Order: sequence, then C-alpha cells, then structure tokens
Amino acid sequence: GESVGLHLPTLSVQEGDNSIINCAYSNSASDYFIWYKQESGKGPQFIIDIRSNMDKRQGQRVTVLLNKTVKHLSLQIAATQPGDSAVYFCADYTSGTYKYIFGTGTRLKVLA
Amino acid sequence: KAGVTQTPRYLIKTRGQQVTLSCSPISGHRSVSWYQQTPGQGLQFLFEYFSETQRNKGNFPGRFSGRQFSNSRSEMNVSTLELGDSALYLCASSLFLGETQYFGPGTRLLVL
Repeated sequence: GESVGLHLPTLSVQEGDNSIINCAYSNSASDYFIWYKQESGKGPQFIIDIRSNMDKRQGQRVTVLLNKTVKHLSLQIAATQPGDSAVYFCADYTSGTYKYIFGTGTRLKVLA
Repeated sequence: KAGVTQTPRYLIKTRGQQVTLSCSPISGHRSVSWYQQTPGQGLQFLFEYFSETQRNKGNFPGRFSGRQFSNSRSEMNVSTLELGDSALYLCASSLFLGETQYFGPGTRLLVL
C-alpha cells in the first residue's frame, strides 16, 4: 500500500552543523511533497515544499531534494540551531486522490 | 492573518461519551482536513471538507464524523468514545483541495 517512511526516528547533531533528514515514499504518482516541523505541544508548521517537476528547492537555511527515481526526499538544514530541535514530518500528495500521506516523523536533537 | 484555530485545546472524557471538536480555518481557506496523531504514530488522515462537502475520508470507523459550514468552519464528532481515541486531533486548512495545508495547534483528547 501507499506509505511514506522515515529512515531514522532520531537524529542528533551538533549546533552549527548541517542536518539531513531523509524520507522515502512509495507512490510513484505522488506529485507534491511537503516538510513540516512540529515542536512539543504545537501543531505541525510548514517548512518547505516541492513539486514533482523539480528536484531541488531552497528556502531560508533549508533545502529540499527530491529524487523521483528512487522515490526519496530529503530535508537539509544548514547551520542547525537549538531552535531547530523538533520532530520533522514529510508528506506526499497525489493529485486526484486529494489525500496527503504523512511519515511517522524524525526527532531532531541539537546538541550544544 | 490569523492562523488555524481549534477549540477546545484540551478535553477529558470518559468511555462511551461523545465529543465535538471545532476548527476555524485561515481566512479565505475553503478546505479543512482533520488528522489524528498518537504517540509513535504519524498523522492519520480522518477526512477533508471543501465547500461543505466531504471530499475524502480515511480509514476510521463511522464513530468519527465531521461537517463543514458555509463559512468554512468545521467540526468533527466522535461518538461512543474508546480509550484508543485518546490522541491529538489536528485540523489543517488550505485555500483549495491539493494546496498547502496549514495546521492548527490541535485538540488533545484524553479518554478515561
């Protein structure tokens, strides 16, 4: 069945280092992908998105890479800060189904 | 612009009771989706409403229902509560179907 999975449940990085969070999806028809950040006690917050006709998109300190060949999505956070500590979710969307499928989340811990 | 608001933020109910949760989308957003989030689980899609019509439904029993009003506000209802219904219920709104979803803070439901 359809699934969006995350390779690592917890990722610990040193403050100032770059973080890479990975995500695999299984539906080759997915055409829209989003990364969300969820801090404790809050709802998920939109970080960055990418359409399937792109393979890279950059935001402020974040970059999303999409590899449709292997159905892989990654979120790169540059110069990770303590405020980046949170759970990060990827989600994929398939036009026509009107349905988002979310991964289980990766917890990012930033070490001082 | 105000974000998605959800009320109440916290609820404690007992088994067998029913509960109604409310969601006010971002102004101008016409689509509202509901998700259930439990510890260790990803976001589980419940249903999505657009123009007062349910457009999509997840794999939840009929005890879970919802509706959307003409002003795009939405409510979801859970009848005959079970212990396993304890979760964070998240509402997300988007301009239209398939557009980026923005989440509210959630309603944390505890069933005793």
